[in-house]
Amino acid sequence: DTGVSQDPRHKITKRGQNVTFRCDPISEHNRLYWYRQTLGQGPEFLTYFQNEAQLEKSRLLSDRFSAERPKGSFSTLEIQRTEQGDSAMYLCASSYRDFTYEQYFGPGTRLTVT
Amino acid sequence: DAKTTQPPSMDCAEGRAANLPCNHSTISGNEYVYWYRQIHSQGPQYIIHGLKNNETNEMASLIITEDRKSSTLILPHATLRDTAVYYCTLGGGADGLTFGKGTHLIIQP
Repeated sequence: DTGVSQDPRHKITKRGQNVTFRCDPISEHNRLYWYRQTLGQGPEFLTYFQNEAQLEKSRLLSDRFSAERPKGSFSTLEIQRTEQGDSAMYLCASSYRDFTYEQYFGPGTRLTVT
Repeated sequence: DAKTTQPPSMDCAEGRAANLPCNHSTISGNEYVYWYRQIHSQGPQYIIHGLKNNETNEMASLIITEDRKSSTLILPHATLRDTAVYYCTLGGGADGLTFGKGTHLIIQP
């Protein structure tokens, strides 16, 4: 049973560097979501895809954030010119399109910007 | 601007039922109530969801009031492994979810 996987699990980077995170959803799931979670807060929705189409991206935090899902399978989230305020857990979730509304979350990527 | 209100923390004795309340007075007609939990350092885990009828699965029961303005998640026999942050959230099915700060449930031995 392979759930949602994320890579890397931890990333430490210096301010100003670019970082990219990968998410592999559950294989038959065609919806994929990205969230950010800061300490003491619940996850904050960023964007989501249905297959390769990005259906919602207005919640991305700034134009430094971008996401892709080129073939409708794995997805990447990139943060350019990182800032200390970007330090957080980045979570990916996937769900099956019809009749199933629950989202299955991965373990997250912990980003620390120094 | 979470649309749900939950107590920040609750305690429950091991083996007893844990009843977690959630207020969602501005819920709209097509919004589902979802419950997730997050154990420290892990991603959230789906528990249950419902529209207007009470629901039960192997993990929990969900009781939704008739006016749909509040709900209660019931863990029938809490164990130490149920210690987690529990989130009540609303959604229309396909959209991203909005999470508040949740309820930190602590199961006491």
